[in-house]
Amino acid sequence: NAGVTQTPKFQVLKTGQSMTLQCAQDMNHEYMSWYRQDPGMGLRLIHYSVGAGITDQGEVPNGYNVSRSTTEDFPLRLLSAAPSQTSVYFCASSYGGGGYEQYFGPGTRLTVT
Amino acid sequence: KNEVEQSPQNLTAQEGEFITINCSYSVGISALHWLQQHPGGGIVSLFMLSSGKKKHGRLIATINIQEKHSSLHITASHPRDSAVYICAVGYGGSQGNLIFGKGTKLSVKP
Repeated sequence: NAGVTQTPKFQVLKTGQSMTLQCAQDMNHEYMSWYRQDPGMGLRLIHYSVGAGITDQGEVPNGYNVSRSTTEDFPLRLLSAAPSQTSVYFCASSYGGGGYEQYFGPGTRLTVT
Repeated sequence: KNEVEQSPQNLTAQEGEFITINCSYSVGISALHWLQQHPGGGIVSLFMLSSGKKKHGRLIATINIQEKHSSLHITASHPRDSAVYICAVGYGGSQGNLIFGKGTKLSVKP
């Protein structure tokens, strides 16, 4: 099993550009989530999904879109990148939500100039 | 609002020392998670617990539900234990989301 995979590992964007961070898991997990990690702060939830076709907002959803067309994939879209979106992004999956063991991807380091 | 507080924020130890990292939270939870993140690395789940104590190798995690407190202990610490240790709590039932502490940065000197 590959577990949770994320691409790309590093990305530099100019302000206003858009891009998609990819996340995939091969464990047949229903719950998938996106977090951002900033210095001095805990991981913060951006969006999450409890199954294919179902998504919901987390703590910091502004500027991001998600979709869940399959159980395996949960892409995160930045619509118009801003310097405030410079961060490390982690995708995670589990059988359920916070009451289940979480599996994290390797992360994507994004810089917006 | 459920908050997760970790202490200490930073910890330096000598190889072989016994280490304790603490985590407190404010409301009822479905589970508490201890995670490990090496510098520049990904995040790995160490423990998930909702009561009592769990042990894996030199790592021990305990939780006191009544006091809303958990501890992560490392016995006979080693430089390879140097990492950030993150406490996270699940709330809103087993299908709910996670709230994360800010992490404890541990450095173990040889």
